Amino acid sequence: SYELTQPPSVSASPGETARITCSGDALPKNYVYWYQHRPGQAPVLVIYKDKERPSGIPDRISGSTSGTIVTLTITGVQAEDEAVYYCLSSDSSGSYPWVFGGGTKLTV
Amino acid sequence: EVRLLESGEGWVQPGGSLGLSCVGSGFTFRNYAMTWVRQAPGKGLEWIASISSSTGKVFYADSVNGRSTISRDNSKNTLYLQIHSLRPDDTAVYYCAVIGVTTNGFDHWGPGTLVTVSS
Repeated sequence: SYELTQPPSVSASPGETARITCSGDALPKNYVYWYQHRPGQAPVLVIYKDKERPSGIPDRISGSTSGTIVTLTITGVQAEDEAVYYCLSSDSSGSYPWVFGGGTKLTV
Repeated sequence: EVRLLESGEGWVQPGGSLGLSCVGSGFTFRNYAMTWVRQAPGKGLEWIASISSSTGKVFYADSVNGRSTISRDNSKNTLYLQIHSLRPDDTAVYYCAVIGVTTNGFDHWGPGTLVTVSS
């Protein structure tokens, strides 16, 4: 089965920059989506198609790609950014339309 | 405003079957593909099934393939998920979500419904 790999945790102090990575062999060929998930709430889409922001998402949240690794960057981290972040993508064969990474807990 | 609301059995015995519903409002339901995602206690998000907007094409994750059915009734703005032969590791919060036409991602999510599989 196809897997996306994320670090279990990342920490940043308020005002710093946090970077969360997601790696997968098929990432150069398939878009990545990022979700913010706070406890007790529904996940929220924060980045789609690698680097696009949905309306309402602040521009201090951005996405980038480099080969088999994609990165979610949050600049000027705030307390409200503390959450688990998941990447979502698919494999190239079409056998796995959607796969989530394991999630990264951002601690502020 | 897009709204989704999941409902279903809160508790099911191992070996039993589960039926979930998700009612959508605030958007033209028939025009959007839909998906189910779950989160087991203490675990991450897991995509489990998706269905296209009109062709009825369906996709399943390995974990539920062969014992699950995703379907929709566009006249009722409702998405369904049935899972049979339930196991304790099917215990999870089950979310439905809309697959955006522009984003192709899971744009909007319901609040989720907890299903416990236990004897």
